[in-house]
Amino acid sequence: QKEVEQDPGPLSVPEGAIVSLNCTYSNSAFQYFMWYRQYSRKGPELLMYTYSSGNKEDGRFTAQVDKSSKYISLFIRDSQPSDSATYLCAMIIYSGGYQKVTFGTGTKLQVIP
Amino acid sequence: DTAVSQTPKYLVTQMGNDKSIKCEQNLGHDTMYWYKQDSKKFLKIMFSYNNKELIINETVPNRFSPKSPDKAHLNLHINSLELGDSAVYFCASSHTGTGSGNTIYFGEGSWLTVV
Repeated sequence: QKEVEQDPGPLSVPEGAIVSLNCTYSNSAFQYFMWYRQYSRKGPELLMYTYSSGNKEDGRFTAQVDKSSKYISLFIRDSQPSDSATYLCAMIIYSGGYQKVTFGTGTKLQVIP
Repeated sequence: DTAVSQTPKYLVTQMGNDKSIKCEQNLGHDTMYWYKQDSKKFLKIMFSYNNKELIINETVPNRFSPKSPDKAHLNLHINSLELGDSAVYFCASSHTGTGSGNTIYFGEGSWLTVV
């Protein structure tokens, strides 16, 4: 079993839809949770960063963490064609003062105009 | 100004060759990484350096040898390339420590194809 599980998709939605992207994890030692967006032929870029259970909102994006269920989500409201990308969840453990980041496999999202 | 830059962006080479990918960051970070992303988009850490010292070395064949001449540079040398080495290699960097201040910043990737 992988430490971080993420549905690879692809996920196709019409423009304006609400998108829900999810990851589950098995290691309760994960302390920080992130969502990265990766456009085709580009490197991943950080979208959201959170460390506690609950919701964190940034514009059209909301990150949700449920540590008791070991489940995180990213919601995108009013989705736009420019949101079409692969979304990777990532989780951090600190060991010896250094961070080790484990990524999910990514979900490919396509927003259709 | 590119924060994390890596060269070359595309590399096609024959099996058995030796090749290097260079990486530089101008963010003042003290930790640098090499990640490998396979055809299924799975991003897996290979190495991590802090202030030129190796701190993470995942199960990577010893044909892969990272070198950090200073904390702003981390190069990756690959000997005796194999078909299975074909992937995208991402260099990244961050501050050390806890919290959102140590966000990992990625380069644009180096597409390696071994034929």
